[in-house]
Amino acid sequence: ETGVTQSPTHLIKTRGQQVTLRCSSQSGHNTVSWYQQALGQGPQFIFRYYREEENGRGNFPPRFSGLQFPNYSSELNVNALELDDSALYLCASSLYINEKLFFGSGTQLSVL
Amino acid sequence: QQQVKQSPQSLIVQKGGISIINCAYENTAFDYFPWYQQFPGKGPALLIAIRPDVSEKKEGRFTISFNKSAKQFSLHIMDSQPGDSATYFCAASPAGNQFYFGTGTSLTVIP
Repeated sequence: ETGVTQSPTHLIKTRGQQVTLRCSSQSGHNTVSWYQQALGQGPQFIFRYYREEENGRGNFPPRFSGLQFPNYSSELNVNALELDDSALYLCASSLYINEKLFFGSGTQLSVL
Repeated sequence: QQQVKQSPQSLIVQKGGISIINCAYENTAFDYFPWYQQFPGKGPALLIAIRPDVSEKKEGRFTISFNKSAKQFSLHIMDSQPGDSATYFCAASPAGNQFYFGTGTSLTVIP
């Protein structure tokens, strides 16, 4: 059984650019959630995908968007990057909605 | 507005001592309360979780105490070890909805 894997591990972008982060779910999990964790803070919910449909969204602007693929892997896209987008982006998979979350190690995004 | 309030921000405990971290919430729709452990450079890992129909849950050295009327829950780490040094997050979720995390507690266990 493989865990949640995220790529890349680190990324440096400049303000205004676009970025795509990738996540492979734990085997058998059909739900993927994305969280933003600023330095020294707890994770903040961005959105969740269940069977390829967005199933919930936190207080993030539309420039944060995502996809879930038939194999349940997922992407997080952020357009028009801002300095405040610098954070650790965590992907978490679960077997069903509101069940135990299994997190990946995250992608550390720095926006300069 | 922080949906889940966590304290203390940091905690230093001697090896063998008891570590206690507290969380409070307001939303009575929350029905699942997990605790996560996070080491530097890693994502949070589920440690233990409780639902409001029980007041306590124990798994090894880790215990969650839950007070539904006070809307508070806490994590107790018995016989704390240096390997327990990490950041701990409480979280809460209403059925079928997102997870709300506390701001974290940095635990240091001194040998």
